[in-house]
Parts: sequence; C-alpha cells; structure tokens
Amino acid sequence: SQQGEEDPQALSIQEGENATMNCSYKTSINNLQWYRQNSGRGLVHLILIRSNEREKHSGRLRVTLDTSKKSSSLLITASRAADTASYFCATVPSGSARQLTFGSGTQLTVLP
Amino acid sequence: NAGVTQTPKFQVLKTGQSMTLQCAQDMNHEYMSWYRQDPGMGLRLIHYSVGAGITDQGEVPNGYNVSRSTTEDFPLRLLSAAPSQTSVYFCASSNEGARTGELFFGEGSRLTVL
Repeated sequence: SQQGEEDPQALSIQEGENATMNCSYKTSINNLQWYRQNSGRGLVHLILIRSNEREKHSGRLRVTLDTSKKSSSLLITASRAADTASYFCATVPSGSARQLTFGSGTQLTVLP
Repeated sequence: NAGVTQTPKFQVLKTGQSMTLQCAQDMNHEYMSWYRQDPGMGLRLIHYSVGAGITDQGEVPNGYNVSRSTTEDFPLRLLSAAPSQTSVYFCASSNEGARTGELFFGEGSRLTVL
C-alpha cells in the first residue's frame, strides 16, 4: 500500500505563477523526500526534510512538514516551463531503515 | 560520471520467457533497490539490498529474483514473464539508505510482456 498521496493529481499554471503540491501520509516517518520526474526519465531528488524539521528551502523550492497532520507541501515559486514534470513525495516510515515509499505523484504543467 | 546505468532501455517479451534487467552503479553505494512504476500507482519497491550478499523483499517481490554478488551490480530477474509485469522498472542506489540520504535513479527499463 502507498504511504504518501499527492494532491492534486494534476496541476496546470501559467509561467511565473507559484505551484503548490501537497502530500499526505499514513504512519510516523523518519524523513520525507520530494522527487521530480521528467517525461520518460528517471526520478531526481529535490529535497529531504527530517521529521524534526518544519520548513526547508532550496532555491525556488520551499517544503513544509506538519507531522501532527501527517502532511507536507512543496511550493515552487516563479514557475518556468522547464518545471513541467511529475512530482512525487516519498517517505521513510519510522523503524524502517531502508525502504522509501512513494506516492502516486502530481503532474505539473507550466504553460509559457 | 555514469551514476546508475540500466540496460536494456526497452524490451518486449512473450509470456513465459525469462530475462534479466541489469543495473550498475559506479558511486560505491551500499544500498541498491528496484522499483516498478505503473500509471497512477507511483513507484512500488520490488527488492532491495543493503550490501553485497544481502537482499530483501519489498512491497511487490513475487515473480522477481535478485542477487548482489558485487557492490556495483544488482540485476533483476524475471523467471517466467507475465503480462502483469508490463511496467517501467527503475533501479536506484544510495550511499546511506533512504534514512539519511537521497536515492539516485537510473533512466528506467520499459518492459512489455505480450
């Protein structure tokens, strides 16, 4: 069964706008990661946030984590057409040292 | 810097045939894993390995075998392919496992079973 579920499943915005994607998960986690996948390619790691962190930034990316609500959000500011991709959250459940469990992803389309 | 290399990129099999998907990494990572990706399902873990000689099952291991004789290589074997195994397969590696670090993914192997 999938641990993380992204919302929305698809998102279409104009270039320059901000894009927000949400991830909910079911069990306690060690960390939560966000990955990006361009069409027909492998996944690329974007950012990792640990269970004791609430917010993290990396360039135009901002990730928040609310462990009480078991949810995370990924904000991409000033989006570009090149940001068009699928975005996945992935969690490491507490007590599981090695297994990363992925959600089903959000397909982001940024229109020029 | 090659990273994680998967071969073949595309493969068509008939039901009952066997084949091996190859995965090699040149980053000296101890942790390696295989995922399958199906439409609307995200990625599901098939098997993983925390070091040479050590393998373990993931969420969907049935129909697949793995071995880890070297740190660099982690092949995935389908002994008798079924149409349900039509999918895109991704190999990934990590220096310390998902607990503390990121996974590095290959470009994927697209398998069709007729």
